[in-house]
Amino acid sequence: KQEVTQIPAALSVPEGENLVLNCSFTDSAIYNLQWFRQDPGKGLTSLLLIQSSQREQTSGRLNASLDKSSGRSTLYIAASQPGDSATYLCAVDSGAGSYQLTFGKGTKLSVIP
Amino acid sequence: DGGITQSPKYLFRKEGQNVTLSCEQNLNHDAMYWYRQDPGQGLRLIYYSQIVNDFQKGDIAEGYSVSREKKESFPLTVTSAQKNPTAFYLCASSVGTGGYQPQHFGDGTRLSIL
Repeated sequence: KQEVTQIPAALSVPEGENLVLNCSFTDSAIYNLQWFRQDPGKGLTSLLLIQSSQREQTSGRLNASLDKSSGRSTLYIAASQPGDSATYLCAVDSGAGSYQLTFGKGTKLSVIP
Repeated sequence: DGGITQSPKYLFRKEGQNVTLSCEQNLNHDAMYWYRQDPGQGLRLIYYSQIVNDFQKGDIAEGYSVSREKKESFPLTVTSAQKNPTAFYLCASSVGTGGYQPQHFGDGTRLSIL
């Protein structure tokens, strides 16, 4: 059964710093990996989706990488801002035609002004 | 704007009562999902539906029921058989072909016990 782990559970950084969030998964046979942002009491906002054939995806200050063979993904945030403060969730789609996502527990990011 | 609407935002359930959470989407997506989120936990899949009039159990379906009579709507009923229903419930949808499309989420319903 697929398991997704995110480390660290919480991270606090000063504004302007570049940072990396980590996601690992146990079964490398995935269709895609998706990074989400969740603000307190809100739903999830999709940030980036990396298909299994891709190595990375970029959107603005965000860059996500995928290494299937090692079961790892990273989300790089450049020049962090207080507005980036949120919980970041990683989820993998292990396929089998069911479109089911397995989620990690998330990393809570605080960017200090 | 296209999106997913969940209602109500907050819901309270009495002992022995069934309650229904609404999820409506105008994205013309085929697939819809219900997740449960507990504090400090990842999201867990309750039910999903790939097309109208079809749905499948997820990892934690016991005590829940769904219907998919219309493409736009996927209501979730939390039955009295669900003994620990207090959680944040999230509905999602996706295009639903090939599993290569992102899932889009609503803003959630927070369910509590009176």
